[in-house]
Amino acid sequence: NAGVTQTPKFRVLKTGQSMTLLCAQDMNHEYMYWYRQDPGMGLRLIHYSVGEGTTAKGEVPDGYNVSRLKKQNFLLGLESAAPSQTSVYFCASSYSAGRVHEQYFGPGTRLTVT
Amino acid sequence: GQQVMQIPQYQHVQEGEDFTTYCNSSTTLSNIQWYKQRPGGHPVFLIQLVKSGEVKKQKRLTFQFGEAKKNSSLHITATQTTDVGTYFCAGRQGGSEKLVFGKGTKLTVNP
Repeated sequence: NAGVTQTPKFRVLKTGQSMTLLCAQDMNHEYMYWYRQDPGMGLRLIHYSVGEGTTAKGEVPDGYNVSRLKKQNFLLGLESAAPSQTSVYFCASSYSAGRVHEQYFGPGTRLTVT
Repeated sequence: GQQVMQIPQYQHVQEGEDFTTYCNSSTTLSNIQWYKQRPGGHPVFLIQLVKSGEVKKQKRLTFQFGEAKKNSSLHITATQTTDVGTYFCAGRQGGSEKLVFGKGTKLTVNP
């Protein structure tokens, strides 16, 4: 099993450009999450999904959109990139059932907006 | 909204010394999880605590959940260079699908 994969690994954008980050998981997880990690800020939740076709806002959703058309994929879109969106983006997934909802993280995407 | 505070932000120790990081929530938690992120890596799940006053051990790591389920700690005995990384706590409130992460404690170990 590949676990959670993210593409691309690195990307440089100019202000105003758009892009989509792809997250894929092969563990049949119901829940998927997008976080951003900035120095000294920990992990902040952008959007999440509790199942195919559903999405919800997290702590810092502004400037981002998401889609979960297939259970195994969770896409994060930036319509008009801004320098404030320079960050490392992590995708994570977890089971919905059971007492332990540990999150499995992907390797991350390092995004720079100039 | 729910906030999770974690201290200290940084900790530098000599190899063999002990290390502790503390986590405090503004609200009562249903459970708390701990993750470790190696430099340049991604967070990896360590453990989940659910019960009030719960203590769990993993080799040299000891995890505690407070009686009021609002605070937690991670203690590492006799640190090794392999312990280097950032340790995050993450709390879940009620039946929420979301985790709220602390800002992490970055541990460096001098050999």
